[in-house]
Amino acid sequence: AQSVAQPEDQVNVAEGNPLTVKCTYSVSGNPYLFWYVQYPNRGLQFLLKYITGDNLVKGSYGFEAEFNKSQTSFHLKKPSALVSDSALYFCAVRAYTGGFKTIFGAGTRLFVKA
Amino acid sequence: DAGVIQSPRHEVTEMGQEVTLRCKPISGHDYLFWYRQTMMRGLELLIYFNNNVPIDDSGMPEDRFSAKMPNASFSTLKIQPSEPRDSAVYFCASSLMDRVQPQHFGDGTRLSIL
Repeated sequence: AQSVAQPEDQVNVAEGNPLTVKCTYSVSGNPYLFWYVQYPNRGLQFLLKYITGDNLVKGSYGFEAEFNKSQTSFHLKKPSALVSDSALYFCAVRAYTGGFKTIFGAGTRLFVKA
Repeated sequence: DAGVIQSPRHEVTEMGQEVTLRCKPISGHDYLFWYRQTMMRGLELLIYFNNNVPIDDSGMPEDRFSAKMPNASFSTLKIQPSEPRDSAVYFCASSLMDRVQPQHFGDGTRLSIL
């Protein structure tokens, strides 16, 4: 069965510092991995995805994520956090052999302090 | 481009009343998803459609919930009768028929059952 774990409910970081939001997954077969962001009173917005190829993928708003197959992880990163990055972040996985259902993690709330 | 459009944005009604949530997916998208988001349970997939046909409704909580997609540009989620525990934010999302494509979310309907 597919599953996604986001081990941190909340991440706090100072503006200008690098940020990491962690995600681990469990699937049968090759995974398709996604990160989404949710701002207050809005729907989830797509940030980036890993399908195949380079383990470091770049997405919107300066975010990037590193795929690590041996650790089954797909951590979201940004070199320099902005206050406006404060939001709820979701990791999601879709297995190659798993139909069309996407499994979302529980979400990690990111607070960036000025 | 117009995104996924949901209506109403807010709904407050009394227990026992029928509630109908509406969704217009992005034109050309083959898949439509209904999710429910609560603090306790996070983001839950209720049902999804492919080319207007329901594919997986295993997430629908009870027979009080029903969803239809009469055509490619419209879907409804109905709760009858509504209960206070149905209070949540309900999201509709759509995507292309491709496992590597992300889902596009509407801004949700915040439902409060008194």
